[in-house]
Amino acid sequence: QKEVEQDPGPLSVPEGAIVSLNCTYSNSAFQYFMWYRQYSRKGPELLMYTYSSGNKEDGRFTAQVDKSSKYISLFIRDSQPSDSATYLCAMSALDQGAQKLVFGQGTRLTINP
Amino acid sequence: NAGVMQNPRHLVRRRGQEARLRCSPMKGHSHVYWYRQLPEEGLKFMVYLQKENIIDESGMPKERFSAEFPKEGPSILRIQQVVRGDSAAYFCASSPRDRTEKLFFGSGTQLSVL
Repeated sequence: QKEVEQDPGPLSVPEGAIVSLNCTYSNSAFQYFMWYRQYSRKGPELLMYTYSSGNKEDGRFTAQVDKSSKYISLFIRDSQPSDSATYLCAMSALDQGAQKLVFGQGTRLTINP
Repeated sequence: NAGVMQNPRHLVRRRGQEARLRCSPMKGHSHVYWYRQLPEEGLKFMVYLQKENIIDESGMPKERFSAEFPKEGPSILRIQQVVRGDSAAYFCASSPRDRTEKLFFGSGTQLSVL
């Protein structure tokens, strides 16, 4: 079983829709949770960063962490064609730092105009 | 402020040749990480370096792979005697300090082994 599971998609939705992206994990030591966005032929770009449980909102993006269920989500409101990319969840344990980041497989998202 | 620079963007090698991938971190960043992305898989940690030191190479294959980050110049990931299974995108990331999860990634080097 992988430490982090993420549905690879592809996911295709119309412009303006609410998008929900999810990851599940098995390691209860994970404390830091991140979402990266990766455009085609580019490196990942940090989108959201949360520590422990709860919600975090940044513009049209909301990150949600449910540690009891070992489940994290990224919501995109009023989705735009420019949001079309691969979204990667990533997580690490306390005091592990970036060298122990564990990534999901990535979900390929397309927003149709 | 230039981002993380990786070159070459694409590298084609025949089996048995050597591959050298270069990474210049963001200005002011002294911590470099190499990750590998295989087709249909997530990014996998390979090695973490600071200037002139390898801090953690637990994700690096024991043979044929090596990495360095000299006092002057870019970080180098070196793969000797490449095999087809080495074909992947190799990403470098940097951070201004250790124990941070906020990494800045380069655009990667796509290695193709024929």
